Amino acid sequence: GDSVTQMEGPVTLSEEAFLTINCTYTATGYPSLFWYVQYPGEGLQLLLKATKADDKGSNKGFEATYRKETTSFHLEKGSVQVSDSAVYFCAPLKAAGNKLTFGGGTRVLVKP
Amino acid sequence: GAGVSQSPRYKVAKRGQDVALRCDPISGHVSLFWYQQALGQGPEFLTYFQNEAQLDKSGLPSDRFFAERPEGSVSTLKIQRTQQEDSAVYLCASSLQGANTEAFFGQGTRLTVV
Repeated sequence: GDSVTQMEGPVTLSEEAFLTINCTYTATGYPSLFWYVQYPGEGLQLLLKATKADDKGSNKGFEATYRKETTSFHLEKGSVQVSDSAVYFCAPLKAAGNKLTFGGGTRVLVKP
Repeated sequence: GAGVSQSPRYKVAKRGQDVALRCDPISGHVSLFWYQQALGQGPEFLTYFQNEAQLDKSGLPSDRFFAERPEGSVSTLKIQRTQQEDSAVYLCASSLQGANTEAFFGQGTRLTVV
């Protein structure tokens, strides 16, 4: 079945540091790929997505590129802020399906 | 409404008790999803509705779990004869059409079975 592997947290960074969260997946066909974020005390929110190979999703300074050859969708941000402290989830969506498969989540803590 | 609303936010149930969890999706959203999130893990798919039709219930862990959306709007997830392993956060999400459009999540119902 489909599965997602995300780097385990917690990841602790200082403000303005570079953030990378690795995500690889196994899936039949070519899924759409999503990153969701959960800020403290809030529900899951869509951060960005990519729907085909080589697409780059971006939002709020975060970027992720759909790499078909390595089945990866790593999340990056060049300069994090304290407000980026949250749990980040990678989630492929099977082509022609309606079932998001979430990774285990990576907790990020940004210190001033 | 402004977002997806779930109630109750917290529920404590004695083992063996039946519970009902409610989800009010965003008005006009055709698709509705239920997920189960155990502590420290990612959400796991339970079931999916398109309007009132339950198109996928492959993630429901047992026949004690039942979901409905009779008028294509509000949905209820019912768990019969709760067991300790049912303790989790139950998340509801809605989207305009399918999971490839942005899914908006509620804050979840935290169920604790004692």
